[in-house]
Amino acid sequence: KAGVTQTPRYLIKTRGQQVTLSCSPISGHRSVSWYQQTPGQGLQFLFEYFSETQRNKGNFPGRFSGRQFSNSRSEMNVSTLELGDSALYLCASRAQGLDYTDTQYFGPGTRLTVL
Amino acid sequence: AQSVSQHNHHVILSEAASLELGCNYSYGGTVNLFWYVQYPGQHLQLLLKYFSGDPLVKGIKGFEAEFIKSKFSFNLRKPSVQWSDTAEYFCAVNPKNTNAGKSTFGDGTTLTVKP
Repeated sequence: KAGVTQTPRYLIKTRGQQVTLSCSPISGHRSVSWYQQTPGQGLQFLFEYFSETQRNKGNFPGRFSGRQFSNSRSEMNVSTLELGDSALYLCASRAQGLDYTDTQYFGPGTRLTVL
Repeated sequence: AQSVSQHNHHVILSEAASLELGCNYSYGGTVNLFWYVQYPGQHLQLLLKYFSGDPLVKGIKGFEAEFIKSKFSFNLRKPSVQWSDTAEYFCAVNPKNTNAGKSTFGDGTTLTVKP
């Protein structure tokens, strides 16, 4: 099975712009979670989607949003970019998302740099 | 809200030395516990997990961790490290009986193994 894929891998934007990141989960996985990883804050949970619905949300401003499509692919969007949004954005997928024993499988991440 | 503390930010060992990385969590209820590893240039991957049962869990590559409920700890151990264990290690928790797509991560410990 192919792993979790994320596109693009690298992105450079300027302050005020918006950006859309994409995540394709492992085939058959229905739950997709997004995390932000920075040297200062570590890994922080952004949100989780399951069956096209946002099921959990972390403590991020409304500029961060996401969605999930019927094929379980997910996108996250960040509007009005700030310098502090520079980070590695990780996507993780789980099989059914209904069993708390599910294992999360992480993608390689998208490295976003805001200038 | 739960939190995770990893006491060692950077550990340097020689090959064949024993390893113990500390992880303590703060949460009022029962939790699921995880250790993840991120090798240089690679994805974050699951090393081991604890949900219930024997508090001593074994993971991949000779790693093990022990859950001590009274100490809110889940320390990672390996009797003899190898140069290939050089990586960043993350401890994570999520409240039991909730989906595992919303994990709280520690800040990570960078392990450098000298050949």
